Amino acid sequence: AQSVTQLGSHVSVSEGALVLLRCNYSSSVPPYLFWYVQYPNQGLQLLLKYTSAATLVKGINGFEAEFKKSETSFHLTKPSAHMSDAAEYFCAVTVQTGANNLFFGTGTRLTVIP
Amino acid sequence: DVKVTQSSRYLVKRTGEKVFLECVQDMDHENMFWYRQDPGLGLRLIYFSYDVKMKEKGDIPEGYSVSREKKERFSLILESASTNQTSMYLCASSLNRGSRQPQHFGDGTRLSIL
Repeated sequence: AQSVTQLGSHVSVSEGALVLLRCNYSSSVPPYLFWYVQYPNQGLQLLLKYTSAATLVKGINGFEAEFKKSETSFHLTKPSAHMSDAAEYFCAVTVQTGANNLFFGTGTRLTVIP
Repeated sequence: DVKVTQSSRYLVKRTGEKVFLECVQDMDHENMFWYRQDPGLGLRLIYFSYDVKMKEKGDIPEGYSVSREKKERFSLILESASTNQTSMYLCASSLNRGSRQPQHFGDGTRLSIL
């Protein structure tokens, strides 16, 4: 079975500081992993995806994530936080078969302090 | 870009009413999904469909049903609305089974049951 754990339901960083949002996955087969962002009163928008190619994945808005099989992690980072990054972030993992179901973490709300 | 459109952003209904939430996608995707999102619980899958007239139960199907008469449209039905169904409802679509392509989300419907 697949599952995702996001450590920290709330993260606060100062503007310009490093953003690190943690995601650990559990999967019995090679996973595909995704990060989504949700701005207030909107749906989820895809930030980036890992599909078994390069382990360092670059996404939109300056975010990137590194797949580490030995640590079963897929942490999201951004070198310098911007006020517009304030949102909720979700990590998700796929199942190998079936209708492309995603298993989501419970989300991390990022606050950026001016 | 894929466009997933949910018919209502905000909806207020009364206990016992039959409620319809509509979702339309414009990219000929085979897979469609309905989630509910609650604080601290992340996204939970209600139902999904990988073909016209096909449906599969997700993790929390109780109290809900779905309809998929056309490929582009996936409807969520609350047979007899209850207050514990007050939530944000998100519709998503993805390409097809086994492709492990990302899901694309609508902007959500915030449903209040009084």
